[in-house]
Parts: sequence; structure tokens; C-alpha cells
Amino acid sequence: AQSVSQHNHHVILSEAASLELGCNYSYGGTVNLFWYVQYPGQHLQLLLKYFSGDPLVKGIKGFEAEFIKSKFSFNLRKPSVQWSDTAEYFCAVKSGFQKLVFGTGTRLLVSP
Amino acid sequence: EPEVTQTPSHQVTQMGQEVILRCVPISNHLYFYWYRQILGQKVEFLVSFYNNEISEKSEIFDDQFSVERPDGSNFTLKIRSTKLEDSAMYFCASSEEALSTDTQYFGPGTRLTVL
Repeated sequence: AQSVSQHNHHVILSEAASLELGCNYSYGGTVNLFWYVQYPGQHLQLLLKYFSGDPLVKGIKGFEAEFIKSKFSFNLRKPSVQWSDTAEYFCAVKSGFQKLVFGTGTRLLVSP
Repeated sequence: EPEVTQTPSHQVTQMGQEVILRCVPISNHLYFYWYRQILGQKVEFLVSFYNNEISEKSEIFDDQFSVERPDGSNFTLKIRSTKLEDSAMYFCASSEEALSTDTQYFGPGTRLTVL
């Protein structure tokens, strides 16, 4: 069965610090990978997704993620975070079926 | 921008009661989903629905659960006899297609509290 691990449950950063959130998945076949964000009081929104091609994908709001197949990883990065990036971030994988399999999420708090 | 909407935002019910959670997917989408998130746990897939049929369901989605598209716009999740462990945030999602690359768009969720 597919699974997704997000090792950082809570991250606290100051504004302008760089961000990297880890995501590892377990599945041997072709996967499609997603990062969703949930801002306080809002619904899950897609940040970015990877399904083929360039393993470095760029998303909204300056986020990017790198797919490293050999490491089964899809880490999310942002070079300089802002207070408005305070949110919960979810990594998810889909492998040809319809369901998304989510990680446990990482709560990011950015202090001004 | 079109959005998935859900009502109510919060539902409180007594154990053993039936609840119906409602969702309005994005209008040109054909695939609909329910997920849930128990407090402190992962977002878990419950069921997917296409062409008036369940296309995939998880082991969580037992006989107590059912889904329906009663008209051209609503998509509902019914829990027949709620248990304490059904307390969770329930998210509806929709997508245009069911390709593995397709984005699922989520609603804001309904927080269900079973007392």
C-alpha cells in the first residue's frame, strides 16, 4: 500500500528564512505527487504537482519542489518565507487510482 | 474562480443519529470525492464517485456510509448511525477527470462532532 511520510510535524521560522519540508513516499511504480496548503480557516489548496518531465516543479507563491526518484522524495522549498506562509502543508501521492494518499501534514509558523 | 462548497460548516449530532453532509462540486467536474480528517491524524480517502456510481472506496467506507448525487449540483455523504469515532472534518473534492495527473479541488470541510 502507498504511504506518505512527512517528518516535520511543526516548523517555526522567522520571516526571510529558507524553508524545506520533507516528504517521502513508498510506492514502486509511477506516481504523481502533490503539495497542498491549508491556510488558517481555509480549504486545502493545490500548491504544485509533479507528474512527469522536469523534476523541479514550481508552484504558486514562490514555492517549488524537487522530485528525487532514487530517494522516493518530493521536498517542498521556498527561499524566503513570509508571515503569510503560516499554514499547514500536506504532501500527497496518487498512483493511477483516484484517491490521494496524504501525509500527516506539517504546521508552519512564520514569526514576523 | 469556481470553488467547491460544503454545508454545514459544523454539525453536532448525538450518537446513533443519521447525518447528511452536503457538497456542491465545481460545475463542470465529473468526479467527486469524500475525505475525512480525524483530529491530529492524516486526511484519509473515503470514496470516489462518477456517473452516479461509486468508483472506489476505502475500508473506512462501510455500510454505515452512503453517497448520492440527488440532483445536478449536490453531492451528499450520509452516515446512517453515527458513532463517536465518526467525529472528524469531512472534506468534499471534485475533479474534471480521474487521470492520475488531475487536480482535486477541495471544499472548506464540515466539522462533524458526535456526542
